[in-house]
Amino acid sequence: GAVVSQHPSWVICKSGTSVKIECRSLDFQATTMFWYRQFPKQSLMLMATSNEGSKATYEQGVEKDKFLINHASLTLSTLTVTSAHPEDSSFYICSVRERGSGRNEQFFGPGTRLTVL
Amino acid sequence: AQSVTQLDSQVPVFEEAPVELRCNYSSSVSVYLFWYVQYPNQGLQLLLKYLSGSTLVKGINGFEAEFNKSQTSFHLRKPSVHISDTAEYFCAVSARGSTLGRLYFGRGTQLTVWP
Repeated sequence: GAVVSQHPSWVICKSGTSVKIECRSLDFQATTMFWYRQFPKQSLMLMATSNEGSKATYEQGVEKDKFLINHASLTLSTLTVTSAHPEDSSFYICSVRERGSGRNEQFFGPGTRLTVL
Repeated sequence: AQSVTQLDSQVPVFEEAPVELRCNYSSSVSVYLFWYVQYPNQGLQLLLKYLSGSTLVKGINGFEAEFNKSQTSFHLRKPSVHISDTAEYFCAVSARGSTLGRLYFGRGTQLTVWP
């Protein structure tokens, strides 16, 4: 399967600061990238879907001004948590869908653990 | 839209015993089906997938699943589990022909294998 990396793998920040998380597709071009949030012992919650060269589509209830997504290229998407607060602490996971893939397969990154103090 | 129900939130089992993790889905259109495994503090790894063809699908680590269209199920099985199989398992569904390929996940099943 495809290799997806996330950076950083974990981050601790102070309340009020902004944090950027990178998601990279290492061995294929990803037309579509997805960002998920996962709380302890819970399933993945889709936050937004981003397509290269266009604005991200956010799920209902997700603040687009707080969670900024930039799909800069076919191999890179970033999620910026602006003015982070303790309630934003969570496990953030990205996934990518291969360009031209009609089978809806997604390949997941290893996740980023965000802790806001 | 699609939805997935994983009936068991936790499944404890002894090592070398068989296991079945249940998954039912709901959809008004044809679907693709997936099982993912998540180890602590890691992302999701694809175990197996049903796209078309044979309804019995074999995946990695000795797992298999059977697609049953009439019962809208996609149960995951392994004839003999190992302690290393202890993890969270997620069933997911995606609509065929979906432009974005969005996945809908179940709530997950925690499989714990005891020695």
